[in-house]
Amino acid sequence: NAGVTQTPKFQVLKTGQSMTLQCAQDMNHEYMSWYRQDPGMGLRLIHYSVGAGITDQGEVPNGYNVSRSTTEDFPLRLLSAAPSQTSVYFCASSSGTGPYEQYFGPGTRLTVT
Amino acid sequence: GNSVTQMEGPVTLSEEAFLTINCTYTATGYPSLFWYVQYPGEGLQLLLKATKADDKGSNKGFEATYRKETTSFHLEKGSVQVSDSAVYFCALIVGGSNYKLTFGKGTLLTVNP
Repeated sequence: NAGVTQTPKFQVLKTGQSMTLQCAQDMNHEYMSWYRQDPGMGLRLIHYSVGAGITDQGEVPNGYNVSRSTTEDFPLRLLSAAPSQTSVYFCASSSGTGPYEQYFGPGTRLTVT
Repeated sequence: GNSVTQMEGPVTLSEEAFLTINCTYTATGYPSLFWYVQYPGEGLQLLLKATKADDKGSNKGFEATYRKETTSFHLEKGSVQVSDSAVYFCALIVGGSNYKLTFGKGTLLTVNP
């Protein structure tokens, strides 16, 4: 099992550009989520999905879109990148059964100039 | 709402010292509690967990006990090693909350030889 994989590992964007961060899991987990990690802020939930075709907003959803067409994949789209979106992004998945521990990918470090 | 408060870092210790990282929580409902660890340049890994009051989670010499009366889940290790240098996150999840993990802000631990 590869677990949760994310691509790319690093990315530099210019303000206004768009891009998609990829996330995939091979554990047949129903629940997937995206977090961003900023210094002194911990991890904040951006969007999450409880199954294919179902997504919802987390704590900081503005500027990001998601979709979930398959159980395995959960891409995060930045529509028009802004410097405030410079962060490290983590994807996570969970089986959705107790005690609900989540498994994290290695992260994508994004810089917006 | 749910929240997690953990001691501010950074924490610097010498090898073989005793470690305590405090974590307290508030939750609407009955949470499961977790400690995650993030080594430099990596994603988060589940370190240990506890799902009910008085449960003790343990892994790699680390322990934490779920204390409902004090709403706490302090992380301890009797003798730290240089390889334990990392950021530690306390987190909780309440079943039925659409699986949303709530994180503390993280505590950076540096262990010197």
